[in-house]
Amino acid sequence: KAGVTQTPRYLIKTRGQQVTLSCSPISGHRSVSWYQQTPGQGLQFLFEYFSETQRNKGNFPGRFSGRQFSNSRSEMNVSTLELGDSALYLCASSFQGSASQETQYFGPGTRLLVL
Amino acid sequence: DQQVKQNSPSLSVQEGRISILNCDYTNSMFDYFLWYKKYPAEGPTFLISISSIKDKNEDGRFTVFLNKSAKHLSLHIVPSQPGDSAVYFCAADTDKLIFGTGTRLQVFP
Repeated sequence: KAGVTQTPRYLIKTRGQQVTLSCSPISGHRSVSWYQQTPGQGLQFLFEYFSETQRNKGNFPGRFSGRQFSNSRSEMNVSTLELGDSALYLCASSFQGSASQETQYFGPGTRLLVL
Repeated sequence: DQQVKQNSPSLSVQEGRISILNCDYTNSMFDYFLWYKKYPAEGPTFLISISSIKDKNEDGRFTVFLNKSAKHLSLHIVPSQPGDSAVYFCAADTDKLIFGTGTRLQVFP
């Protein structure tokens, strides 16, 4: 079974631009969660999508948004990029989502650099 | 405010010895915890979990201990191997995963 895939793996943008990242979950998984990893902050939860609906959201500004498609693939979008958005963005998939105490499987991440 | 804390950013252990990674949490309602391991350029990989109904869970060389009264958990790796060198994250599983900031383990020969 193929694992979680994320595209692109690396991205360089400039301040003020917007960016879209993509995540394909493990086949059969319906929940996709997104996390931001920055040095010293660990992994911080952005949001979770389940069956095309946002089920949970972390404490990030509205510039961060996401969506999920009927095939469970998910995208996240960051608008008006700031230098502080430079981070590794990870997505994780599971069948029912973290509320079920089910293991989440992570993709390799997209490393975003904002100049 | 960090609800899950890993106060040691790094740990260095000799091969064959025990590695002990610690994690503290603040919310006594947390009842399920996981440890993930992360290599550079890869996503975190699930290692082991523990529910609050237990105080210990073992999987091969990895054992997680949970002390609910102290709101503390620890991951023991015995014996440590060079391939264990990675960043280890503990996480509380609520309606989302709440991660600590990680501990970088280096196992040297």
